Amino acid sequence: ETGVTQTPRHLVMGMTNKKSLKCEQHLGHNAMYWYKQSAKKPLELMFVYNFKEQTENNSVPSRFSPECPNSSHLFLHLHTLQPEDSALYLCASSQEGGASRDTQYFGPGTRLTVL
Amino acid sequence: SQKIEQNSEALNIQEGKTATLTCNYTNYSPAYLQWYRQDPGRGPVFLLLIRENEKEKRKERLKVTFDTTLKQSLFHITASQPADSATYLCALGDYGQNFVFGPGTRLSVLP
Repeated sequence: ETGVTQTPRHLVMGMTNKKSLKCEQHLGHNAMYWYKQSAKKPLELMFVYNFKEQTENNSVPSRFSPECPNSSHLFLHLHTLQPEDSALYLCASSQEGGASRDTQYFGPGTRLTVL
Repeated sequence: SQKIEQNSEALNIQEGKTATLTCNYTNYSPAYLQWYRQDPGRGPVFLLLIRENEKEKRKERLKVTFDTTLKQSLFHITASQPADSATYLCALGDYGQNFVFGPGTRLSVLP
């Protein structure tokens, strides 16, 4: 286990549902990240939190809403998603999230299917 | 626009041979480059980091080179084993907030 856990591992939801993805890191890191990985596409960075503050939002639609209550926990709240949002959502953490980004430790991901 | 390419979507090699994976970039000035391994259904796992002022890094059977003139990194796995079969991702970061992954190369080591 990498020290970064994600729940649930699999999620199927309808376009009108509201759900949340959870990530927890046990590594004492200060930065956490959400990535989206779609088939045949590179990993896409969605959000970065550094010391609980959001430092990056890469033009992510508002139907994805992140929350970082503390340095160990990160949530991704989902509502009114589209089928094209179906993907593997990966959480990662690193010691710091500023310039010269550190080695990132990834969780196992949540496989999301939007019907 | 910034672009990262990895030599091929898939690479098949025979067990015992050296696998060489390529990461090329354009319109980018990376301060460092990382290589990750990803197995199906799992998150990427960090392997090696090389900085712009370093030419080569080694770790056990792994070797990474970084040529900022050619805008290229090579990732070598010597004495490859079937257990090395996975997707390998390169990722580039600069001195700002830019950090981006390449599309990955799926390596299959055949027994």
